[in-house]
Parts: sequence; structure tokens; C-alpha cells
Amino acid sequence: GDSVTQMEGPVTLSEEAFLTINCTYTATGYPSLFWYVQYPGEGLQLLLKATKADDKGSNKGFEATYRKETTSFHLEKGSVQVSDSAVYFCALSLGAGGTSYGKLTFGQGTILTVHP
Amino acid sequence: DAGVIQSPRHEVTEMGQEVTLRCKPISGHDYLFWYRQTMMRGLELLIYFNNNVPIDDSGMPEDRFSAKMPNASFSTLKIQPSEPRDSAVYFCASSSRGLTRNTGELFFGEGSRLTVL
Repeated sequence: GDSVTQMEGPVTLSEEAFLTINCTYTATGYPSLFWYVQYPGEGLQLLLKATKADDKGSNKGFEATYRKETTSFHLEKGSVQVSDSAVYFCALSLGAGGTSYGKLTFGQGTILTVHP
Repeated sequence: DAGVIQSPRHEVTEMGQEVTLRCKPISGHDYLFWYRQTMMRGLELLIYFNNNVPIDDSGMPEDRFSAKMPNASFSTLKIQPSEPRDSAVYFCASSSRGLTRNTGELFFGEGSRLTVL
């Protein structure tokens, strides 16, 4: 079945450090890929997305590129801030049609803590 | 536009009691999802609806769980009787095929944290 594997956390960085959170996926079709972020005590928010191979999603300084050949969607940020401390979830969706629409399959989540 | 609204935000109850969680999706969205989040299992899809009709409830853990969507603006998730292992954060999310152009993006509520003693 479809699955998402994220690098295990927690990840602890100093402010202004470079961030990479690895994400790989297994899917039977051509999924859309997402990164969601969950700040303490809040629900999940969409951070960025990519809907086809080689697309790059970006938002708030974060980027991720849809790599079909390596089935990956790694999240990167060049300089993290304390306010980026949160849990990050990689997810996939098989998108339109049938009973798969909108069903997100999530990775386990990676806790990021950024220290001043 | 208001986001997905869930209530209660926190619920503490005793084992055996009935629990009802409520959700108001974003107006105009035709898909509604219930997810459960625990440390052990992460985020699990319990059930989802399209146009108020349950489409896939294969994630509902057992008969103690039930979900309804009587109209486009309201859904409930009920646990009866509740057990300590049901303690989790329950998220409601909504989406629209038209708005998201079939990408499957979901909009989440802030969650209901359930503690069963």
C-alpha cells in the first residue's frame, strides 16, 4: 500500500542553521506530495505542496522538490528560526477520482526544535 | 472565512462514558475527514464523507466508534463506551475538489484532545 517514511527525529538545531528533513514515499499511482506543519497546541497547516514530478513547492523559506526517480520530497530551509520549532509531516495524496480523493497518508512526523 | 471549527478543545472523561466530538467544516467544502493522532500510531484516518455520505470508514477502530454528518455544516464523532486507549487528539479536516483542483489539500481544525481516565 501507499506509505510515507520520514527521517526520525527529534531534530535540534541552532538558529540560522541549515535544515533538511528527509521524506520518501511509496505509491501505486502519481501522488501529490505535501509538507504540513503543526505548531504546539494547534492543528496541522499546509506548508507547501507539489503535484507532479520536478515541481518545487516553497513557502516561508522552506522548499521541497518532487523527485520521482528517487521517490523523495525532502524539506529544506537555509536558515531556521526559533519560530520554526514545530512538528513537520510529509504526506501524499492520490488526488482525484474514486475513493482515494483527499485521503492523505502521513509520515510519522519529525519534531524540530530550534535554539537561539 | 472561518476555518474548520472543532469542539470541545479538551475533554476529560471516565472510562465507560459516552464522548461526542463535533466539527463544522469550511463552508462550501464537500469532503470531511476525521483523523486521530497518538504518539504511538501518528495520524490515522478514521473516516471520511463526501456530500454528507460516508465513503470510507475502514479506519474506524471498532464498533464503539461512530460518525455522522447530518448536513453539510456539521459532523460528529461518537465513542461509546470510551476506554483509556481512546485517549488521543482527534482532528477534523475538510476539503473541496473544486477549490483544490484535485490535489487533495486538506484544511484542519485545531483538534479535540480527549483523555479517558
